Amino acid sequence: EVQLVESGGGLVQPGGSLRLSCAASGFTVSSNTMSWVRQAPGKGLEWVSLIYSGGTTHYADSVKGRFTISRDNSKNTLYLQMNSLRAEDTAVYYCARGGVHIVGVTAIPFFDYWGQGALVTVSS
Amino acid sequence: IQMTQSPSSLSASVGDRVTITCRASQSISIYLNWYLQKPGEAPKLLIYAASSLQSGVPSRFSGSGSETDFTLTISGLQPEDFATYYCQQSHSTPTWTFGQGTKVEIK
Repeated sequence: EVQLVESGGGLVQPGGSLRLSCAASGFTVSSNTMSWVRQAPGKGLEWVSLIYSGGTTHYADSVKGRFTISRDNSKNTLYLQMNSLRAEDTAVYYCARGGVHIVGVTAIPFFDYWGQGALVTVSS
Repeated sequence: IQMTQSPSSLSASVGDRVTITCRASQSISIYLNWYLQKPGEAPKLLIYAASSLQSGVPSRFSGSGSETDFTLTISGLQPEDFATYYCQQSHSTPTWTFGQGTKVEIK
């Protein structure tokens, strides 16, 4: 059974740092595209970052230069290092596995499994 | 790519047929996915590639559309379907974007 369990959330002051972890079971993190998606209180969903199986990473403009996605293959765990945190980074952060649907030569990505989320609150 | 859902909320009764629309600001072919989210829970994939039903999702859910206009239909609303629904485009990899959500409430 595929499971994703986030940890590491909490209260941090503006300008501070926090590292989120996402422990996976039932599949291999390094063989899949993995993403972080966040949801501010009462708001919609925002894609934050992803890491491809090959190791290439991408970030939303809103976090570029401040957040770093990584993984530990030996622990089958995904991470999100968040630095220079701002009030607008306050959100529930979800890790999500990327699936893909092949149509001819086209690959259509989607998020097929999600963790339960970790709340990050940035406030003084 | 901007994704716009309508309506933002709706009230319906158990057994009703419900339709939610999602419009993309530019053509995205069928790179469109639908998710359901209940309060305090993570999103759950319902439909991928515009019309393909995710394994385990009841057949009362269906999706259609292509290019810029998409629809999620629930045929026979059940009590467990009252939730918020999001569309998501995966055309502009990797900067995927979501619609603002449609909240389905009990009438």
